[in-house]
Amino acid sequence: AQSVAQPEDQVNVAEGNPLTVKCTYSVSGNPYLFWYVQYPNRGLQFLLKYITGDNLVKGSYGFEAEFNKSQTSFHLKKPSALVSDSALYFCAVRRENRDDKIIFGKGTRLHILP
Amino acid sequence: SAVISQKPSRDICQRGTSLTIQCQVDSQVTMMFWYRQQPGQSLTLIATANQGSEATYESGFVIDKFPISRPNLTFSTLTVSNLSPEDSSIYLCSVEFRLGGTEAFFGQGTRLTVV
Repeated sequence: AQSVAQPEDQVNVAEGNPLTVKCTYSVSGNPYLFWYVQYPNRGLQFLLKYITGDNLVKGSYGFEAEFNKSQTSFHLKKPSALVSDSALYFCAVRRENRDDKIIFGKGTRLHILP
Repeated sequence: SAVISQKPSRDICQRGTSLTIQCQVDSQVTMMFWYRQQPGQSLTLIATANQGSEATYESGFVIDKFPISRPNLTFSTLTVSNLSPEDSSIYLCSVEFRLGGTEAFFGQGTRLTVV
């Protein structure tokens, strides 16, 4: 069965510092991996995805994520955090066959401190 | 991508009543889904809305409680019936394109409070 783990409920980062939000996954076969962001009273916004190819993927708002197959991880990163990055972040996975459902992690709340 | 309009954005309902949520997409999509996000929790898939046929429900969700319609490729409704305070959640519509895309796109959600 597929699963996603986001080990941190909350991450606090000072503005201007680099940020990392962790995600590990378990899936049989090749994974499709995603990051979504949810701002207060809003739906989920797609940030980026890994399907195949380069392990470092770049997405919206300056975010990037690195796929590490040996560690089954897909951590979200940004070189310099902004206060406006404060939100709830979800990692998600599905198997390479797109007929499978997307499985979401429990979410990590990111607080960027001014 | 897709522009997904979900209505209402929020509502406060009396217990025992029902709420119908609408999801309108600006282009035809193959897959439409409904999720529930309970306070402080992740997303739970309620069902897949099938065009022209009965929705496919996940374990723990039944049609009598969550009737779903999908009359065409751009529109779906979710009704939450016989409301109780435990139904207070955010309900999210999601769409996927089978061809050329692998990610899901979401509406802005409906925040339901049952009193």
